[in-house]
Amino acid sequence: DAGVTQSPTHLIKTRGQQVTLRCSPKSGHDTVSWYQQALGQGPQFIFQYYEEEERQRGNFPDRFSGHQFPNYSSELNVNALLLGDSALYLCASSLYGTGPYSNQPQHFGDGTRLSIL
Amino acid sequence: LAKTTQPISMDSYEGQEVNITCSHNNIATNDYITWYQQFPSQGPRFIIQGYKTKVTNEVASLFIPADRKSSTLSLPRVSLSDTAVYYCLVGDGNRDDKIIFGKGTRLHILP
Repeated sequence: DAGVTQSPTHLIKTRGQQVTLRCSPKSGHDTVSWYQQALGQGPQFIFQYYEEEERQRGNFPDRFSGHQFPNYSSELNVNALLLGDSALYLCASSLYGTGPYSNQPQHFGDGTRLSIL
Repeated sequence: LAKTTQPISMDSYEGQEVNITCSHNNIATNDYITWYQQFPSQGPRFIIQGYKTKVTNEVASLFIPADRKSSTLSLPRVSLSDTAVYYCLVGDGNRDDKIIFGKGTRLHILP
């Protein structure tokens, strides 16, 4: 049973460019959440997708956008990259309405390390 | 949202029991307490969750006093491989509940 998979594992971009990160949820999960984790910090919630719609959003600018496909996989897009966008981007999957606090906690992938030069 | 406070870092030795305490003074009636573990360059991994009293699984125990304003994650007989960051989260699983990780506790196990 495959867990959460993310691609690519590493990515290098320059300021002003755009990037797309991809996530496949754990089998049986229908909800995908994205987090940004800067070095030495805890993960920061970006947004959550369910039924191909954004359901919750953290304190991130509109440069961060996402998409969920009918097979529940998801993409995170970041436009006009800034140096401060350098981070580990984590994807987590769960069953809708359960979230990280319920008896069915989120399952995380190992992330995409994004470096902005 | 209930905010959590944890020690920034802790050191311990192999074979010892480690207790990490998390303060959550504003915990709400419907809130659960959940702990995650994260190794470098990996995503967080669920360890344990509880609502009140004590919960134990194959990895850890979670102690929650009656007032629920704090909780203690207990790791029995730690090994070097338990060196990681441990996060305490508090929330009720409501779909509208913002998902917040703090900075966590960096646990360093020494030989």
